[in-house]
Amino acid sequence: GQQVMQIPQYQHVQEGEDFTTYCNSSTTLSNIQWYKQRPGGHPVFLIQLVKSGEVKKQKRLTFQFGEAKKNSSLHITATQTTDVGTYFCAAPWGSQGNLIFGKGTKLSVKP
Amino acid sequence: NAGVTQTPKFQVLKTGQSMTLQCAQDMNHEYMSWYRQDPGMGLRLIHYSVGAGITDQGEVPNGYNVSRSTTEDFPLRLLSAAPSQTSVYFCASSYATVRVNSPLHFGNGTRLTVT
Repeated sequence: GQQVMQIPQYQHVQEGEDFTTYCNSSTTLSNIQWYKQRPGGHPVFLIQLVKSGEVKKQKRLTFQFGEAKKNSSLHITATQTTDVGTYFCAAPWGSQGNLIFGKGTKLSVKP
Repeated sequence: NAGVTQTPKFQVLKTGQSMTLQCAQDMNHEYMSWYRQDPGMGLRLIHYSVGAGITDQGEVPNGYNVSRSTTEDFPLRLLSAAPSQTSVYFCASSYATVRVNSPLHFGNGTRLTVT
């Protein structure tokens, strides 16, 4: 079945450094969503990308969808301690379009 | 507006016991789903429903049953709990399936331990 591979699994950064997580699929995706889960919390929707080559920004967060719609990235500029958590990508799978999640990238930020 | 409400927050079961995890949403969402989250495994889909009276299996359905008698409620039943079902369970809902670009709204989760 379809899988979305997400790397890295863990990332430790110093506050102020940049952070990037990548999501890859072997098949073309109709769209991709990104979620953030704070420690002890539940996943919270961040954004959805639909168009080939699409780039969206939310303050210090930049989301990109590849030209072939098989990969996506989330880049955080100048990380802050509030960015700590696990970031998941998710893509529709099957006839009903259920979301299949990547395994996530856990970000820790050292003050 | 409560969103997606899950109960209980924590539960400890002995092997072989059964229980029901409750999930309710007040957003009139057609689509509801259950995921389990295990360390290093991400979120895996257990069962889902695209509307009242309709349910189907996800990636890891074995050992679980669901029903959807109303739009609001989507309970998850563990028939005979096993230690492998120790996990954090999340219920999620959306206006429609993601093919029409609807984000998932998650409940706060139920942390289940089976001894």
